[in-house]
Amino acid sequence: GAGVSQSPSNKVTEKGKDVELRCDPISGHTALYWYRQSLGQGLEFLIYFQGNSAPDKSGLPSDRFSAERTGGSVSTLTIQRTQQEDSAVYLCASSLGTPGQRSYEQYFGPGTRLTVT
Amino acid sequence: ILNVEQSPQSLHVQEGDSTNFTCSFPSSNFYALHWYRWKTAKSPEALFVMTLNGDEKKKGRISATLNTKEGYSYLYIKGSQPEDSATYLCACGRSNDYKLSFGAGTTVTVRA
Repeated sequence: GAGVSQSPSNKVTEKGKDVELRCDPISGHTALYWYRQSLGQGLEFLIYFQGNSAPDKSGLPSDRFSAERTGGSVSTLTIQRTQQEDSAVYLCASSLGTPGQRSYEQYFGPGTRLTVT
Repeated sequence: ILNVEQSPQSLHVQEGDSTNFTCSFPSSNFYALHWYRWKTAKSPEALFVMTLNGDEKKKGRISATLNTKEGYSYLYIKGSQPEDSATYLCACGRSNDYKLSFGAGTTVTVRA
């Protein structure tokens, strides 16, 4: 079956521009996560969506970052006024997880490599 | 976010040899420990999710153990093959949270 898809796979942008990254989770997965991996670092949690609940935005590094999830499916991560430190691989993952169950494995997309010049 | 540490950062293994590496995490409020395998140009792939102290999971030549009291997990690769070359990530979740905290990974290179 179809896995998690992300677009674009690569994005090069100039400092100060806005970018939008898209994630299509696995159909039926209610939980959706965004992570990023900067060079030499581990995966950093950014934001979590669960069904129709308010998202957990506690990992967003600044107010230039925002994300939404429309209709409980597709999610868009937006970075405004990009900075060079935003350069990273941005990964999306989805899982069957419900609020009371957190041991479900996460299925990752291929990531978007963002380079800010 | 929890402090999850993995060691070593990288290792090189001869084809056919076995190897293992460690993930350590805070034991308080532990809920689940995940292992993922991340091959170059691929998505991270879930290997195991473990929740109980003493859990042992196996998938082919790869296995993992969990000690929640002392806060560590081992991942073992038996008879390493070149296709085992990847970065192995562990991640820990707490009982009062649904975020996973990831370690920086152990990069395994298997030489033919």
